[in-house]
Amino acid sequence: GESVGLHLPTLSVQEGDNSIINCAYSNSASDYFIWYKQESGKGPQFIIDIRSNMDKRQGQRVTVLLNKTVKHLSLQIAATQPGDSAVYFCAENPPSGGSYIPTFGRGTSLIVHP
Amino acid sequence: KAGVTQTPRYLIKTRGQQVTLSCSPISGHRSVSWYQQTPGQGLQFLFEYFSETQRNKGNFPGRFSGRQFSNSRSEMNVSTLELGDSALYLCASSLAGRVSSYEQYFGPGTRLTVT
Repeated sequence: GESVGLHLPTLSVQEGDNSIINCAYSNSASDYFIWYKQESGKGPQFIIDIRSNMDKRQGQRVTVLLNKTVKHLSLQIAATQPGDSAVYFCAENPPSGGSYIPTFGRGTSLIVHP
Repeated sequence: KAGVTQTPRYLIKTRGQQVTLSCSPISGHRSVSWYQQTPGQGLQFLFEYFSETQRNKGNFPGRFSGRQFSNSRSEMNVSTLELGDSALYLCASSLAGRVSSYEQYFGPGTRLTVT
C-alpha cells in the first residue's frame, strides 16, 4: 500500500485476479476521498469517490472501502485487465468550507500481466 | 465533447525566465484547477478558478499565478523560473466544484523543463 509523501510501491497481478490498492490518508477530518488512475503520458482520470459518511461504495468493477478509525482507504479492482495497468493514487479533501482542495497520495503502480 | 486541452505540451525554459501555460476546459465547465506533478512531491494543488475569480489556493509561492477568462479558459504563469519548477503541470475542469461530487477532468499536462 501507499502513504502520502513516501515511495511509489508496485503491485503486480495476473490478468483476471482481483487487485487491492491501499492508501493511508493523513487528516482525520477529511470528508471526501477520490481514487484516480493515471496512465503513462496522460493526466489523472477519476475512478470513484466516497464521502466520509460512507464505508463502502461500488462502481463498475471497482469498490472503494473507507476505514476512518485507522484513516485507511482501499480500492478493489475485480477481474483485473491489462488495460488497468497504471498508477493509482488517492486524494483526500480536508475540511475546506465546501471547496475541493485535495491532498494526494504518491500512488501505487499496478502492473497486470496477461 | 472535446476534453481538456493544454498548450503547449512541452516547454523548455531557462532559469530566471517566465512562462505562461494555457488550459481550455471542457465546454460548459466553469471551474478550472491547476496542479503540479513531480517525482519528488507527487501531485500538488496550485489553485482553482471559478467564474474568473481565484477561489482556492494551494501552498505555492507568489511566483505562481493564474487567471481565468470569461470563456472559462485559464492560464497560469510562473515568473523567475527555478530548476525546481521543472514538472508536469496539469489542468482539470469541472462543472462547479461545490457539488456533492468533485469529479474533475484532467488535461494531458504541459511538461516544463527548466535548465
